[in-house]
Parts: sequence; structure tokens; C-alpha cells
Amino acid sequence: AQTVTQSQPEMSVQEAETVTLSCTYDTSESDYYLFWYKQPPSRQMILVIRQEAYKQQNATENRFSVNFQKAAKSFSLKISDSQLGDAAMYFCAYRSQGGAQKLVFGQGTRLTINP
Amino acid sequence: GAGVSQSPSNKVTEKGKDVELRCDPISGHTALYWYRQRLGQGLEFLIYFQGNSAPDKSGLPSDRFSAERTGESVSTLTIQRTQQEDSAVYLCASSPRTSGGAVYEQYFGPGTRLTVT
Repeated sequence: AQTVTQSQPEMSVQEAETVTLSCTYDTSESDYYLFWYKQPPSRQMILVIRQEAYKQQNATENRFSVNFQKAAKSFSLKISDSQLGDAAMYFCAYRSQGGAQKLVFGQGTRLTINP
Repeated sequence: GAGVSQSPSNKVTEKGKDVELRCDPISGHTALYWYRQRLGQGLEFLIYFQGNSAPDKSGLPSDRFSAERTGESVSTLTIQRTQQEDSAVYLCASSPRTSGGAVYEQYFGPGTRLTVT
């Protein structure tokens, strides 16, 4: 079974600075997808960014980018120019290419933005 | 358009009672998922529905948990004889479809917070 590990329960960053959230995963599959979700206090899960394992190029969405290291099974999220609205729980998630395509989540990292 | 909705938003129940949680997916979404999120934890997969196919129940933690879905519309998650360890947020997500070769985003509802006293 696949597992996802987020080793940083909490992180904090100064507003306008850059922060990197770590994620590692374990799988024997070669084709899969990786995601970062944001969960603010409202509980709504919001997709931040996704990466297809077959793509070597790291995904980027505005201020959010990932560092995908397939051989190391590492998938970190970099947030540039941090804003107060970025404060939330961040979850890394894995999804197989086939089957039910259920998401396997890490434990989450709570990100605090200091003004 | 309307997103995924869930009701009730919060539910407090006594140990041993049965509860029903409802999920209304986005119209036209054939895939529906239920997840559980314990306090301070990530989401755990419970069950998956895809069209008229048999559901994937591999994540249900015990036979006290069951779920139904009518066609491609509303789904109900039922927990019988609730226990304190069932206290959690139950999140529902829907997706346009599932296909081995494509990525379809799962759209989440706001969840139901269940507290068993």
C-alpha cells in the first residue's frame, strides 16, 4: 500500500518570504499523481497544485511550485512571497493512475504566516 | 455553479446512536468519495462510488459503517451504534469521472463534524 509522510507538523514564515513544505511517499508503482491541498479553518479542501509522475518538469502555479524527485520519492511545495491568506493546513496526497483513484494523504503541515 | 454540499454541518450524538450524513455531489459528477479526518490528522479514504459499478468499500473501518448512493446523485453515509472514536470530520468529494489515463480533480464539500459523547 502507498504511504505519504509529512515530517513537519508545523511551519512558520514571515510575510513575503519563501517557505518549503516537505513530503515523501512510498510506492511500487511507476505511474501516479501527486497533489498538494490547502485546508483553511473553513475545512474546505482546496487543490493547490498537482504533478504527474511521468512529467520531469516541476509543476508551477503562480507563487506555488514543487520540487519533484521521483527517484527519491520526494515532493516538496515551495510557496514564494508568502501572504497572510496562505495560512492553513497543507496536505500532500498520492493517487494511483488506475483503480478507484482514491487519494492517500499525509498527516499535514500547519503553516503560519507572521506579519 | 453549485459545489459539493454536505449536511448537517455539525452533528452531536450520544454513544450507541445511529447517524446519517448526507452528500450532494456536483451535478454530472459520476464519481463520489467519502473520507474521514480525525482531529489533527490527514484524510482517510472510506468508500468510493463510480456510476452503476459496485462501490469500493475497502476503506470502511468496521461493519458499523455503510454508505449508499442513488444513481449519480446524493449519497448517505450511515454509522450505526456510534462510538467515541467515530468523532471526526467526514468529507465528501466528487469528480467528473475516473479514467486510468486522465486526471480528474476531486472537489470537496465542507464536511460534517461528528461528535460522539
